[in-house]
Formats: sequence, C-alpha cells, structure tokens
Amino acid sequence: EVQLVQSGAEVKKPGESLKISCKGSGYSFSTSWIGWVRQMPGKGLEWMGIIFPSDSDTRYSPSFQGQVTISAVKSINTAYLQWSSLKASDTAIYYCVRHVYGIDWGQGTLVTVSS
Amino acid sequence: EIVLTQSPGTLSLSPGERATLSCRASQSVTSSYLAWYQQKPGQAPRLLMSGASSRATGIPDRFSGSGSGTDFTLTITRLEPEDFAVYYCQQYGSSPYTFGQGTKLEIK
Repeated sequence: EVQLVQSGAEVKKPGESLKISCKGSGYSFSTSWIGWVRQMPGKGLEWMGIIFPSDSDTRYSPSFQGQVTISAVKSINTAYLQWSSLKASDTAIYYCVRHVYGIDWGQGTLVTVSS
Repeated sequence: EIVLTQSPGTLSLSPGERATLSCRASQSVTSSYLAWYQQKPGQAPRLLMSGASSRATGIPDRFSGSGSGTDFTLTITRLEPEDFAVYYCQQYGSSPYTFGQGTKLEIK
C-alpha cells in the first residue's frame, strides 16, 4: 500500500524557520516525483513545486520560487519543504503528492504562523 | 504559465441529477495531461481522473472525463449524496502544473 506520511502540525512566529517532511512507502520513492501543494484557509489548491528524488531535479512555481526550498533524501524516502523566514501569509495546509499529478496525497501538515 | 478557469463556481443540484463541470485552459494542454480531484471538508483531495478521461483506481463509472486542447469536462451522472464536494482540475503538461480555482457542488 502506498503511503505518504507527513510531519505534524506546527505553530510558528513570523521570521522563524521551518522544515516539514513527507515520508513515502510502498513504492519506489527515488523514481517517482514528489510535489507540494498549498491550501490556504478556505481557499483552493496551489501547486508549489516538485522534485525527482533520484537526481534532485526540482521545479518551482514562479509564485513560490525563492520563497521555499524543496528537497529530498532518497536514503530515507523523505521529501522536505522548508522556509527560512515565515510570514503570517504562509499559514496554510501543505500537502505532499506523489507523481506529477496527485496519484496519492499525504494527510496534510497545518502550518500556523502568528505572533 | 497555463491558467485554468473552472465553471461554474458553485453548482446546486439534487441527488440523482447529472452534473457537468467545466475546466478551460488559457492555452492548449499538452497531450491532454489534465487531472480532476474531489475534496471533501477536512480531507485531502482524491484523484478522480488523469489524462483527461482515465478514471483512477476505485472511482465509480458514474464519473467520466472528456475534452482536449483547452476545453475539458467532468461529468457525474446520477449524483449520489457522497458526490457533493469541491472539484478541482489540474494540468500537468507544462510546468508549473497549475490548478483551477475549484467548483463547489452543493445539494439543492
């Protein structure tokens, strides 16, 4: 069974850094794209970017380029999404998804940024 | 960047009726690389369709997808109570792999 298990909810202050994770199992992690999708409160889905763990080929949406960093460690089947300086507007649920379209989805990680 | 526009924003129908949801792209979607998702409150989205018309595993045959180029349609025949949700389209033919803004299917 394919599973994407994400790290737990986070509460942070503006300006703080954060790294959330997504661990894949039940499929070949290295050779399957992993993407990240943002959903702000009460809003729609936004595609942020994607990584191919085997060679770390990474593509970003222009809206998120320079705002976040996507990475992966294939030896532990885990992808990451990180911020160096959070803003209140980063408050959202973040989903990891398998493949260039979401064959499988993680359960989501709620990130709350508030002073 | 390809912009996807979904219509209508909200669709009010009764169980047993037929639903037709539209997704229009600002430019042609490569090889009909278009997916549809269903999202219920408090849940992650679920893949319904890929390649515009191929149902994902476990999706009932009352869901069907069609279209090519810039115009795509998701049709749900004989609506069941569990079908009332928000539906999104996504193109994955050209990075960034953008989503539409969603159509809310609500019970009339």
